[in-house]
Amino acid sequence: EAQVTQNPRYLITVTGKKLTVTCSQNMNHEYMSWYRQDPGLGLRQIYYSMNVEVTDKGDVPEGYKVSRKEKRNFPLILESPSPNQTSLYFCASSFNDRYEQYFGPGTRLTVT
Amino acid sequence: DQQVKQNSPSLSVQEGRISILNCDYTNSMFDYFLWYKKYPAEGPTFLISISSIKDKNEDGRFTVFLNKSAKHLSLHIVPSQPGDSAVYFCAATNTGGFKTIFGAGTRLFVKA
Repeated sequence: EAQVTQNPRYLITVTGKKLTVTCSQNMNHEYMSWYRQDPGLGLRQIYYSMNVEVTDKGDVPEGYKVSRKEKRNFPLILESPSPNQTSLYFCASSFNDRYEQYFGPGTRLTVT
Repeated sequence: DQQVKQNSPSLSVQEGRISILNCDYTNSMFDYFLWYKKYPAEGPTFLISISSIKDKNEDGRFTVFLNKSAKHLSLHIVPSQPGDSAVYFCAATNTGGFKTIFGAGTRLFVKA
């Protein structure tokens, strides 16, 4: 089954404790992206990757890091989480930015 | 500065009637537009798209209209069904830009 998986689905952590949210796709997509969803703001792009070892900033990259060492994986790293990073996070992939994106089920992160 | 705006947070429609969801954009460089549907506790799923070289695209009950001069697009759902109740996001991208900008979403309620 073609899918995008994210782990964990739910995470509660404390300020400053480094965490990684994993994302994996099995569709051989070149393009992958991370978004956060906040009430009234819709989906905002954090980082995206056009292919292995090629990443770039989206609209809200501050406080986040990404890496793309393999085509199928695109982890999101929060080196020092803060409460304003409490949000619902989605990973997505597509053949390129102009095709429809396939989204993962989301990761709800709470930083206290 | 929101480049993609969905000014109606919610819309309520009777089953069998037409639902019209609107989206405005400010960046004239956008040349590809997409609509996604999102149910609670799930990731967004692609619904329909339109290129800027067209003014209409139809897929079953869903039609998207693009008015480039007004920088406006709309999604028509006819006839509306209770299962269409969801949040609908408008998204825009541009050739070679690789960034995707989403609107804040419109929550559609279809009453039986």
